Amino acid sequence: GAGVSQSPSNKVTEKGKDVELRCDPISGHTALYWYRQSLGQGLEFLIYFQGNSAPDKSGLPSDRFSAERTGGSVSTLTIQRTQQEDSAVYLCASSRGIGELFFGEGSRLTVL
Amino acid sequence: QKEVEQNSGPLSVPEGAIASLNCTYSDRGSQSFFWYRQYSGKSPELIMSIYSNGDKEDGRFTAQLNKASQYVSLLIRDSQPSDSATYLCAVSGNDYKLSFGAGTTVTVRA
Repeated sequence: GAGVSQSPSNKVTEKGKDVELRCDPISGHTALYWYRQSLGQGLEFLIYFQGNSAPDKSGLPSDRFSAERTGGSVSTLTIQRTQQEDSAVYLCASSRGIGELFFGEGSRLTVL
Repeated sequence: QKEVEQNSGPLSVPEGAIASLNCTYSDRGSQSFFWYRQYSGKSPELIMSIYSNGDKEDGRFTAQLNKASQYVSLLIRDSQPSDSATYLCAVSGNDYKLSFGAGTTVTVRA
């Protein structure tokens, strides 16, 4: 596709449920990022994947969060046992070069 | 984690004026600097990148970098209402990890 695709665009879930968010990056982009943005806040780094290297997971806020990237392309961010503070927009971005990120439209997560 | 600081604003400027946005960063080893624009309810989009000291101009936008002072700025000349958005400063080292500031909200008054 022409841009970064994320799904679902909106997700409402109950506290304690697991959720999966999907990201399909731009073809040929070797780097893939997940960020989180709470209402009125900046971007909080979660994790990034670069080629076949081990991912940088240093931004994941707890062990309830995990992410994988299959075949160097599609990535899934999983949040287990969701909490209300997990409510945010989860943004995926891909990049071919350092810093030049192309963002998807985001997945808005609401935990009731 | 690189720290990136911006004035949150809001910065209100009249149409046609110059909007000046500032950003400081903590990691002296930072090498690449970016400005992203984020419209309300939308995702960030890259508008400027700068890698060496001095000025870089692109249309109505000018990015300025001073590594000695750990300072990067963005000037928007002839501001238009369509420039009303939040501007995010982002910094990276020699890897792909990008740290963002909290953003400065700009409002251009018609």
